[in-house]
Amino acid sequence: NAGVTQTPKFQVLKTGQSMTLQCAQDMNHEYMSWYRQDPGMGLRLIHYSVGAGITDQGEVPNGYNVSRSTTEDFPLRLLSAAPSQTSVYFCASSRQGARQPQHFGDGTRLSIL
Amino acid sequence: DAKTTQPNSMESNEEEPVHLPCNHSTISGTDYIHWYRQLPSQGPEYVIHGLTSNVNNRMASLAIAEDRKSSTLILHRATLRDAAVYYCVQHQGGSEKLVFGKGTKLTVNP
Repeated sequence: NAGVTQTPKFQVLKTGQSMTLQCAQDMNHEYMSWYRQDPGMGLRLIHYSVGAGITDQGEVPNGYNVSRSTTEDFPLRLLSAAPSQTSVYFCASSRQGARQPQHFGDGTRLSIL
Repeated sequence: DAKTTQPNSMESNEEEPVHLPCNHSTISGTDYIHWYRQLPSQGPEYVIHGLTSNVNNRMASLAIAEDRKSSTLILHRATLRDAAVYYCVQHQGGSEKLVFGKGTKLTVNP
């Protein structure tokens, strides 16, 4: 089992560029989510999905879009990158819901110049 | 809104017990408390979670206060590999959201 796989591991963008952060899990988990982590802060929830075709907003959704067309994949899109979106992004999944133990990927470190 | 409060840092000696505190004064009756830990350059790792009563697993124990406004993560014998940032996380009952605290950086001295 690969678990939760995030790609790329590192990325540098210019302001205004668009990008998709990929997240895939091979555990047949229904629940997937995206967080951002900034220095000195805990993780903040961006978007989450309780199953294919269903997504909802978290604490800091502005500037990000998501979709969930399959159980395995949950991509995060930045339509027009801004320096404030410089952060480390983590994807997580669980069998069913936020109450259950979350499996995290190793993160994508994103810098916006 | 859900919010958890933890000390910024704690220190322990190897092979001694460690008690990591967390306050969650806004917790409601259906909110679970989770703990995760994070090593440098890695994603968080699940440690333990509970609702009302104390919980034990192979990694740690979780003691939840009777009024549920605070909890303590207990590592029974700290090892050097336990050095990490420990996050107290509140699951908002009735939602599918987790709210992370800012974390406690645990240093384990040999």
